[in-house]
Amino acid sequence: ETGVTQTPRHLVMGMTNKKSLKCEQHLGHNAMYWYKQSAKKPLELMFVYNFKEQTENNSVPSRFSPECPNSSHLFLHLHTLQPEDSALYLCASSQGYRGTDTQYFGPGTRLTVL
Amino acid sequence: AQKVTQAQTEISVVEKEDVTLDCVYETRDTTYYLFWYKQPPSGELVFLIRRNSFDEQNEISGRYSWNFQKSTSSFNFTITASQVVDSAVYFCALSEFSSGSARQLTFGSGTQLTVLP
Repeated sequence: ETGVTQTPRHLVMGMTNKKSLKCEQHLGHNAMYWYKQSAKKPLELMFVYNFKEQTENNSVPSRFSPECPNSSHLFLHLHTLQPEDSALYLCASSQGYRGTDTQYFGPGTRLTVL
Repeated sequence: AQKVTQAQTEISVVEKEDVTLDCVYETRDTTYYLFWYKQPPSGELVFLIRRNSFDEQNEISGRYSWNFQKSTSSFNFTITASQVVDSAVYFCALSEFSSGSARQLTFGSGTQLTVLP
């Protein structure tokens, strides 16, 4: 595996389900990110982790819960989501977390909430 | 606050035509970085280029070229002799540099490029 991988690629869930998105980076980076991309909207940064520590939480609802067990893995735990949470969720990684470091993205998870 | 504007929502060209994607940015910082990413239908954002605010030299990479002009706060992207595989959404992004804090990427809304055979 190379680059940034995400699983699953597609996910359909009901509003009462609990699911998790997984991201893994094989680039030796120290920072990882979750973004949300909704139709007709710019990418929205959700969370930033640097060396496993959360450095940014952009007012994301608590029904989204991130977890970063190490610098290579990032999870996004989902529970009691709303239909408006349907979107493409993108994971990215970079060497540092200062935003000036180039971020490399995974293929995304297409989430549909019914 | 930083802002990126991509005024062209959609562009269609015929294969082999040249096409320029516009990007205008706003920032108060004197040090910042500009990026272009490509998002094909598969969804993954593919990094194309990073340019810092002190380097105004234009860059060429194969059929791709970038024109950075600080005077007009623009960082335009040109594809020469476009191909069907260039069809994608292209995003321009900006990141400010401020010591001691994390500044994240601000993305434009993207330009959907369709190259017709």
